[in-house]
Amino acid sequence: GAGVSQSPSNKVTEKGKDVELRCDPISGHTALYWYRQSLGQGLEFLIYFQGNSAPDKSGLPSDRFSAERTGGSVSTLTIQRTQQEDSAVYLCASSLLRGGTDTQYFGPGTRLTVL
Amino acid sequence: KQEVTQIPAALSVPEGENLVLNCSFTDSAIYNLQWFRQDPGKGLTSLLLIQSSQREQTSGRLNASLDKSSGRSTLYIAASQPGDSATYLCAVIAGGGNKLTFGTGTQLKVEL
Repeated sequence: GAGVSQSPSNKVTEKGKDVELRCDPISGHTALYWYRQSLGQGLEFLIYFQGNSAPDKSGLPSDRFSAERTGGSVSTLTIQRTQQEDSAVYLCASSLLRGGTDTQYFGPGTRLTVL
Repeated sequence: KQEVTQIPAALSVPEGENLVLNCSFTDSAIYNLQWFRQDPGKGLTSLLLIQSSQREQTSGRLNASLDKSSGRSTLYIAASQPGDSATYLCAVIAGGGNKLTFGTGTQLKVEL
């Protein structure tokens, strides 16, 4: 079956511009996660959605970062006024139930380059 | 704060060798531990998930063990093949949330 998909696969933007990254989770998965992978920091958690509960935003690095999940399916990660340190691969994952006991399945990622 | 460390950072072995990758974590109150592989320019592929109540999991040539009390996990790869070349990451989910905390990764190269 279809896995987690992300778009675009690559995004190059200029410093100060806003970007939107999209994630389509596996159909039927109730939990959705965003992570960031950068050279200096490794893989870091950003935000987590579970059903209709309030999202866990504890990993968002600044208020320039926000995410939403519409209709319990597709999610969009928005970065406003991008900075060069935002350059990284942004990974989305989904799981069937609460992530504490379930495998998280990852998408291929979006490589963001801020010039 | 949970910290996850992997040793070695890089490993190169000849084809056919058995090998062990190590993962340690500082907070033993985990729900589960997951091993992933990542190929260059690609996302993560889940290999094995060990629940906190389990000691090990096996899939094909892979065997992962978990010693929660000592904060350690190992990934054993039997009869390594060039196709096993990738970066291997371990990650844990600890109390207080469902986020994965990732290790630093081991870059494995299996040579012909």
